[in-house]
Amino acid sequence: GAGVSQSPRYKVAKRGQDVALRCDPISGHVSLFWYQQALGQGPEFLTYFQNEAQLDKSGLPSDRFFAERPEGSVSTLKIQRTQQEDSAVYLCASSLLDYYNEQFFGPGTRLTVL
Amino acid sequence: KNEVEQSPQNLTAQEGEFITINCSYSVGISALHWLQQHPGGGIVSLFMLSSGKKKHGRLIATINIQEKHSSLHITASHPRDSAVYICAVKGTDKLIFGTGTRLQVFP
Repeated sequence: GAGVSQSPRYKVAKRGQDVALRCDPISGHVSLFWYQQALGQGPEFLTYFQNEAQLDKSGLPSDRFFAERPEGSVSTLKIQRTQQEDSAVYLCASSLLDYYNEQFFGPGTRLTVL
Repeated sequence: KNEVEQSPQNLTAQEGEFITINCSYSVGISALHWLQQHPGGGIVSLFMLSSGKKKHGRLIATINIQEKHSSLHITASHPRDSAVYICAVKGTDKLIFGTGTRLQVFP
């Protein structure tokens, strides 16, 4: 398909486990964004890449959260030592060039930490 | 006070009704998005606008930059329009999202 894809779609983790969430942006899209959406809330910005460069990580809630995009395409959001408050939908979006272009969203990964 | 506020939070309608969802924001913006989110999480961009009005099918979005207000209208609503509608504004360096309006349209 031509859209943004994310995997897994659902993840259940025990508290303290590490998780890795994957995002495949639209081919050729330069910018990639990660968002966290708690139940009943709007998404909140986590981090932003332009190609392989992480230009903004101001939204990452703690140093347990780490994102990478080593070859400027696929990105991974890693959460270490998961906590119950990390339970949320994690959304990835990509845009053709930069922040000012329209963002296309993936289906999200629903993380539940028990 | 949230930087982006939507009203109402929840909305129910009968099929065929005209629907309006409102978004007010308090920051300077370069553009505003209206997004649709169905159960299961997927988000679809409906409109991105920075002035005036845009129309796509039964959907109309308007924005008043001076009043820092935007509205999303749905004409002749249908049960398949049931979803969460989210307003998001482009601030200086990131998207800021409202909490969404949950719309249910009954046949």
